[in-house]
Amino acid sequence: ETGVTQTPRHLVMGMTNKKSLKCEQHLGHNAMYWYKQSAKKPLELMFVYNFKEQTENNSVPSRFSPECPNSSHLFLHLHTLQPEDSALYLCASSQDEGDTEAFFGQGTRLTVV
Amino acid sequence: EDKVVQSPLSLVVHEGDTVTLNCSYEVTNFRSLLWYKQEKKAPTFLFMLTSSGIEKKSGRLSSILDKKELFSILNITATQTGDSAVYLCAVEIGSWGKLQFGAGTQVVVTP
Repeated sequence: ETGVTQTPRHLVMGMTNKKSLKCEQHLGHNAMYWYKQSAKKPLELMFVYNFKEQTENNSVPSRFSPECPNSSHLFLHLHTLQPEDSALYLCASSQDEGDTEAFFGQGTRLTVV
Repeated sequence: EDKVVQSPLSLVVHEGDTVTLNCSYEVTNFRSLLWYKQEKKAPTFLFMLTSSGIEKKSGRLSSILDKKELFSILNITATQTGDSAVYLCAVEIGSWGKLQFGAGTQVVVTP
């Protein structure tokens, strides 16, 4: 248990669906991240939020829409996804300065059909 | 462009062997280098390295960083089947914990 919880753990959605991934951290961290891990590819950073403000969007298509209502919660809203978006989506958090380790959630396995 | 390169991409060893994994990097604003072990899903944290030449150890695992030559190695001695996993190297860039990951090394330990 890393203190970072993601739900759901598995999600199957059609290309016309709208769904959301949720991440919650109980570590008092100020920075939260979305990563994508596709088969046979390095882990890719998607978004970074710091103190609820988005500080990085790593050229992610607009069909992925993040939301960070507070420092403990991070959402990834999904709409009109493509089959190639099927991947493991990992959330992570880290303290702002001083404690620089990133703690990861267990991920959401997303399949787009 | 920030780059983290791991080698080898995969290897198969027998139980009891020693494994050495490599991670080289070229990044701006280096802050630290981290090693993770990934089994099935989320990576679990192994080591964070910030200073050159100081070995970190945890049981049969150890790691060291060379900031002059821009690389790190992760050693696993007396390997066990439970060490089978993908080992990820990541470099922390900047002030906010942004991590640039390598592609990982898949380690398979056979009985």
